Amino acid sequence: GDSVTQMEGPVTLSEEAFLTINCTYTATGYPSLFWYVQYPGEGLQLLLKATKADDKGSNKGFEATYRKETTSFHLEKGSVQVSDSAVYFCALSARTGANNLFFGTGTRLTVIP
Amino acid sequence: EAGVTQFPSHSVIEKGQTVTLRCDPISGHDNLYWYRRVMGKEIKFLLHFVKESKQDESGMPNNRFLAERTGGTYSTLKVQPAELEDSGVYFCASSQAVNYGYTFGSGTRLTVV
Repeated sequence: GDSVTQMEGPVTLSEEAFLTINCTYTATGYPSLFWYVQYPGEGLQLLLKATKADDKGSNKGFEATYRKETTSFHLEKGSVQVSDSAVYFCALSARTGANNLFFGTGTRLTVIP
Repeated sequence: EAGVTQFPSHSVIEKGQTVTLRCDPISGHDNLYWYRRVMGKEIKFLLHFVKESKQDESGMPNNRFLAERTGGTYSTLKVQPAELEDSGVYFCASSQAVNYGYTFGSGTRLTVV
């Protein structure tokens, strides 16, 4: 079945450090891929998405590239800020069949000044 | 526009009691989804409404969970009787159309003691 495997956390970085959060997936067909973020006390927000192979999603300095050959969608940011502290979830949506999202376990990021 | 509203934000109940969670989707969004995150694990799909009809309830864990969406507006998720393993964060999301993009609420944190 469809599933997402996400890098275990928590991750603690100093401000301006480089961030990578790994995400790999298993899916039949060609899913759409997403990164969601949950800031403290708030709901899940869509951070970025990619709908086909080699697409790059980007937003707020974050990027992720849909790699079909490695079934990966790793999240990266060149220079993190304290305000990036949150929980990040990788997710996929199958193109056909179920309309729901499959999420990873989430990675808690803490950025210290 | 108003976002997806969930309440209560927190609920602590004793094992065996009943709890009802409520979700108010964005006005005009026919699609409404419930998800749950059990402590430290992935966010899992529970069910999907299209207007007042249950489109997919394959993720509902057992018959102690009952979801309704009378009139195709707000939805309730009742847990009766609650068990310890039901503790977690329950998220609601809505969308205009299937695969269009979700807006999530901030979740209800349920603790069963």
